[in-house]
Amino acid sequence: GENVEQHPSTLSVQEGDSAVIKCTYSDSASNYFPWYKQELGKRPQLIIDIRSNVGEKKDQRIAVTLNKTAKHFSLHITETQPEDSAVYFCAAWRTDSWGKFQFGAGTQVVVTP
Amino acid sequence: NAGVTQTPKFRILKIGQSMTLQCTQDMNHNYMYWYRQDPGMGLKLIYYSVGAGITDKGEVPNGYNVSRSTTEDFPLRLELAAPSQTSVYFCASRPTGGGNQPQHFGDGTRLSIL
Repeated sequence: GENVEQHPSTLSVQEGDSAVIKCTYSDSASNYFPWYKQELGKRPQLIIDIRSNVGEKKDQRIAVTLNKTAKHFSLHITETQPEDSAVYFCAAWRTDSWGKFQFGAGTQVVVTP
Repeated sequence: NAGVTQTPKFRILKIGQSMTLQCTQDMNHNYMYWYRQDPGMGLKLIYYSVGAGITDKGEVPNGYNVSRSTTEDFPLRLELAAPSQTSVYFCASRPTGGGNQPQHFGDGTRLSIL
């Protein structure tokens, strides 16, 4: 079955710097990769996603890149702000998986002023 | 649309008690899921459903049961609560269809077993 590894587990950045989180998946048939942000005590919320026919997607200060050959995808946050502090989860999904997502273990991002 | 609604938000149970965590969605989504999230950890799939009348086990189903009699509702039943079931429980839903779609999460139920 699918296995998703997420690194790093914690990431501390200075305000204004960039943050990068990387996820590696094992199932080459995976074709959809969402990223969720979870603030303390809140529910996970989708921030960006990418489909396997696209190599990069941007939305303001966040971007996701996908390398299908290497089977990894990354979340990039530029010009980090204190409100970016949260846990970020990546996930992978394949069409015939009966809707089941495989989640990474999460990355705790701390943005220090 | 209210999205995914979970009740209760908080609950304290004694060891051995039973309870049902409620989840309802108003988006006509076929797929629904139950996850648990232990402190500082990721999401573990308990049960999921691909439509009314169809449910299946996830990674950690022991100690739980589900039913799906309608598209809207997907309750999670805890029988004989144990301290190891202390966790935050999230319900999620997702539309079916050819396109790849994300899950929508509820606000969670924080459950403590004492």
